[in-house]
Amino acid sequence: GAVVSQHPSWVICKSGTSVKIECRSLDFQATTMFWYRQFPKQSLMLMATSNEGSKATYEQGVEKDKFLINHASLTLSTLTVTSAHPEDSSFYICSAYDDREPYEQYFGPGTRLTVT
Amino acid sequence: AQSVTQPDIHITVSEGASLELRCNYSYGATPYLFWYVQSPGQGLQLLLKYFSGDTLVQGIKGFEAEFKRSQSSFNLRKPSVHWSDAAEYFCAVGGNFNKFYFGSGTKLNVKP
Repeated sequence: GAVVSQHPSWVICKSGTSVKIECRSLDFQATTMFWYRQFPKQSLMLMATSNEGSKATYEQGVEKDKFLINHASLTLSTLTVTSAHPEDSSFYICSAYDDREPYEQYFGPGTRLTVT
Repeated sequence: AQSVTQPDIHITVSEGASLELRCNYSYGATPYLFWYVQSPGQGLQLLLKYFSGDTLVQGIKGFEAEFKRSQSSFNLRKPSVHWSDAAEYFCAVGGNFNKFYFGSGTKLNVKP
């Protein structure tokens, strides 16, 4: 199957700083990518839909000014957590939708963010 | 609104025993249903999916799932569990614009 990578796989940052997470589709182009957040022992919560060349669509309750999403190319979406706080510590997972058959979403391995 | 319920947080089965993981969904239209497995440090891996047609779906690693519209269920089964199946399993429903909504997950432990 297709491969989606995330970088970094883990990051520690200080409270008040910003951190950028990259999501890349390695062997296909993805006009649509998704960002999820997973709390320990909990499910994945959809944060936003990242659309290439246009603004991201955020789920209800997700602060768009805090979680900046940019989908500048067909193979790259970035999530920037701005002015991070300890409560932003979480596991962030991206997925990329391949609009060729069999029309699947492929998930990245995730990024562990710890804010100290 | 769409939602997915996995009522079992933890399940422990003996190696070689059969397995059934429950999943109930709520969705206004015909759902697209998925089961994923997540191992520690690994990304989500698709086990199987249901879009339409035959309600019994075969997946990878010997897993199968049955879509029951009357019960709004999509339970995952395996006739004989292997120690390597120990992981967390997520049921998901695919909604409009390819958005996925996940259940809370079921952690499977396998006893030797």
